[in-house]
Amino acid sequence: GENVEQHPSTLSVQEGDSAVIKCTYSDSASNYFPWYKQELGKGPQLIIDIRSNVGEKKDQRIAVTLNKTAKHFSLHITETQPEDSAVYFCAASGNTPLVFGKGTRLSVIA
Amino acid sequence: DAGVIQSPRHEVTEMGQEVTLRCKPISGHDYLFWYRQTMMRGLELLIYFNNNVPIDDSGMPEDRFSAKMPNASFSTLKIQPSEPRDSAVYFCASSLKGTAKAFFGQGTRLTVV
Repeated sequence: GENVEQHPSTLSVQEGDSAVIKCTYSDSASNYFPWYKQELGKGPQLIIDIRSNVGEKKDQRIAVTLNKTAKHFSLHITETQPEDSAVYFCAASGNTPLVFGKGTRLSVIA
Repeated sequence: DAGVIQSPRHEVTEMGQEVTLRCKPISGHDYLFWYRQTMMRGLELLIYFNNNVPIDDSGMPEDRFSAKMPNASFSTLKIQPSEPRDSAVYFCASSLKGTAKAFFGQGTRLTVV
């Protein structure tokens, strides 16, 4: 089955800097790659997603890139703000439910 | 829509007791998922339903766990008897077409003492 690896597990950045989180997946049949943000005491919230027919997608300060050949995808957050502090999860799926990475705890230091 | 609704938000129970977690998916969604979140194992899929029918329960850890979906707007996850190692946050999520966008509830934090 699918296996998703996520790095780093923790990330601290200064406010205004960029943050990058990387994931790899194992199943070449996977074609949907969402990213979730989880704040303390809440459920994961979908923030952006990308499908395998697209290499890059942007939404304001957030962008995702996908390299299907290398089986990896990344989340980029620019101009980070304190409210970006949370745990971020990547996930992958094809014809099966989402398989999640272990998460990255992002801390934005003011 | 109010989103995926889970109850209770918190549950503390004694070892050996039966625990029932509840979920109301987003109206119109035909897939429902139960995930468990722990520090050690992250988010694990326990079971999922399509049109109220269980499709894959291979993630259910033991026979002590069972899940039902009697109709399109309600699902339960039951643990009987509960054990301290079942302590975790349990999430319900729903989606259209299975592998499309999944929307999560706020979770139920279960503590078994």
